[in-house]
Amino acid sequence: DAGITQSPRHKVTETGTPVTLRCHQTENHRYMYWYRQDPGHGLRLIHYSYGVKDTDKGEVSDGYSVSRSKTEDFLLTLESATSSQTSVYFCAIRAGQNNEQFFGPGTRLTVL
Amino acid sequence: EDQVTQSPEALRLQEGESSSLNCSYTVSGLRGLFWYRQDPGKGPEFLFTLYSAGEEKEKERLKATLTKKESFLHITAPKPEDSATYLCAVQAVGSSNTGKLIFGQGTTLQVKP
Repeated sequence: DAGITQSPRHKVTETGTPVTLRCHQTENHRYMYWYRQDPGHGLRLIHYSYGVKDTDKGEVSDGYSVSRSKTEDFLLTLESATSSQTSVYFCAIRAGQNNEQFFGPGTRLTVL
Repeated sequence: EDQVTQSPEALRLQEGESSSLNCSYTVSGLRGLFWYRQDPGKGPEFLFTLYSAGEEKEKERLKATLTKKESFLHITAPKPEDSATYLCAVQAVGSSNTGKLIFGQGTTLQVKP
């Protein structure tokens, strides 16, 4: 158990509304990542963070922003949700002997 | 462009019927190759890391191997509880600092009793 929680676990929202997903870790790891998982696309990196207030874009960052004001929390925000952002979102931390990534339980987001 | 391709997309086996999953990759310098298991409705669970051609790792009925172009996940005498989606990911040398991974689309394994 890598001590990662995500909230909410499920969310249904409407197009155009803002949405914030939270990732919380209990072990003080420096690197955190946000992915989305869609059928036919696998896991794709949205944004990542390498420390408090230090973030960078991944391969599918358009329409998403992130913030990290504390080591333990990494927030993903959809400023104006669209139907194409319906997906399952996973948070991960970089840890372990070989710096492998460990994943949270995921958030299923539906944008109507 | 760095890329990971997994095959087959889906695999059905009878309990006890051994087989292999394939992960082919093209990357500008391999830093590491990672295998994950994902159960429905859950996050990926780390299995193995491989770093160099010829390396092998084992865990229960699973054995992962690595060549310069691909990795195989061998499943020996599978049981129904091995049913899951298996994900492969690579990290390029240029991503060593960031830890960024490139994932394949996964192979969904179903083992029937």
